[in-house]
Amino acid sequence: KQEVTQIPAALSVPEGENLVLNCSFTDSAIYNLQWFRQDPGKGLTSLLLIQSSQREQTSGRLNASLDKSSGRSTLYIAASQPGDSATYLCAVRFPPYNQGGKLIFGQGTELSVKP
Amino acid sequence: GAGVSQSPRYKVAKRGQDVALRCDPISGHVSLFWYQQALGQGPEFLTYFQNEAQLDKSGLPSDRFFAERPEGSVSTLKIQRTQQEDSAVYLCASSLGEGQGNTEAFFGQGTRLTVV
Repeated sequence: KQEVTQIPAALSVPEGENLVLNCSFTDSAIYNLQWFRQDPGKGLTSLLLIQSSQREQTSGRLNASLDKSSGRSTLYIAASQPGDSATYLCAVRFPPYNQGGKLIFGQGTELSVKP
Repeated sequence: GAGVSQSPRYKVAKRGQDVALRCDPISGHVSLFWYQQALGQGPEFLTYFQNEAQLDKSGLPSDRFFAERPEGSVSTLKIQRTQQEDSAVYLCASSLGEGQGNTEAFFGQGTRLTVV
């Protein structure tokens, strides 16, 4: 069964700290992986998309890496701010692609950045 | 439109009532997905459309759930005879869908359904 796991489930850090969120998946044959942010009561905002041929993607203070062989991805957030507080979701697209690229989600990591 | 739009944002239904949830995808997006998100969990796949064709409905939890996208744009998720376990946030997502490089999914704000 294709599964995605995120550790930790919750994380609290002081403002300014660099942090890493972890995502692991059971099948290394993925199409791509997408990181999302979800604020309470809101929908999902796409942060980064990494194709299976890529090793990392960067956007501002965010950097996502992908290691297919070990079935892992990490989301690195530099110089965290209180506004980064949200739930971060990792989602993977597995073959076959004729299923349209549906996403398998992890449970999410709830991040709290304290001023 | 600028983004994926869902309506209503909130819906309270009495047990046994039928509900219909609407999704307006980003204009020109071929692929449309519905997901269900229980409290404190990640979203779970329900069904997928490519234009008007429903190509995957393997995630629909029962035959009380029905989705359509008759003209390949707006989609409706219908739940018949709602039950308390149907209470969740229902998320709609769309993507360009024309090949692997265009699979980035954009999500709506969701509809929070509460069955009482």
